[in-house]
Amino acid sequence: AQTVTQSQPEMSVQEAETVTLSCTYDTSENNYYLFWYKQPPSRQMILVIRQEAYKQQNATENRFSVNFQKAAKSFSLKISDSQLGDTAMYFCAFMILSTSGTYKYIFGTGTRLKVLA
Amino acid sequence: EAGVAQSPRYKIIEKRQSVAFWCNPISGHATLYWYQQILGQGPKLLIQFQNNGVVDDSQLPKDRFSAERLKGVDSTLKIQPAKLEDSAVYLCASSPVETGGMVGHYGYTFGSGTRLTVV
Repeated sequence: AQTVTQSQPEMSVQEAETVTLSCTYDTSENNYYLFWYKQPPSRQMILVIRQEAYKQQNATENRFSVNFQKAAKSFSLKISDSQLGDTAMYFCAFMILSTSGTYKYIFGTGTRLKVLA
Repeated sequence: EAGVAQSPRYKIIEKRQSVAFWCNPISGHATLYWYQQILGQGPKLLIQFQNNGVVDDSQLPKDRFSAERLKGVDSTLKIQPAKLEDSAVYLCASSPVETGGMVGHYGYTFGSGTRLTVV
């Protein structure tokens, strides 16, 4: 079965500090894409960062970076210099080719991050 | 560019009533998705359209849920009759093309969803 596990339901971090959100997944596929999405109270899912599974280099987007360990099937998100606007639910997801021949996401259950002033 | 538009933003209905949600994807996006997000869970795909054709509805409860995408642009999702367990946020998303490389590169663009409460 294709699954995504986010073992931290809630986390908090002081403003300007660094926090790491963990994510593990299970798939038998070799080619897939990994994503972190942010969902603020507005409910819109916003893409934070993505990683191609065939690339060994970890993706970085400004204050956001990932630690991708393909053998361990681990894909953690590090947020540096945390800001109040980072407060949101964070979802880890991977994209696979489904049995219907289309691409779809498998999402984790999310981590609620609160940045404290 | 304008984002994915959804309406209504909130809806409260009684069980056994009907409800419909509307989604207008980003202009030119061929693929449209409806997701159900139950509180405390990640989004779950209900149905996926490529233009005006259904390409994946394997997780859509077809006895009560239906969706259409006439003319390959906007879409409606309907629940009839609603049950208490249908209380959730219904998210619409779109992507430009349905090929792995492109979708993997861009991901989807999501709307802000409709929060449905069934009482």
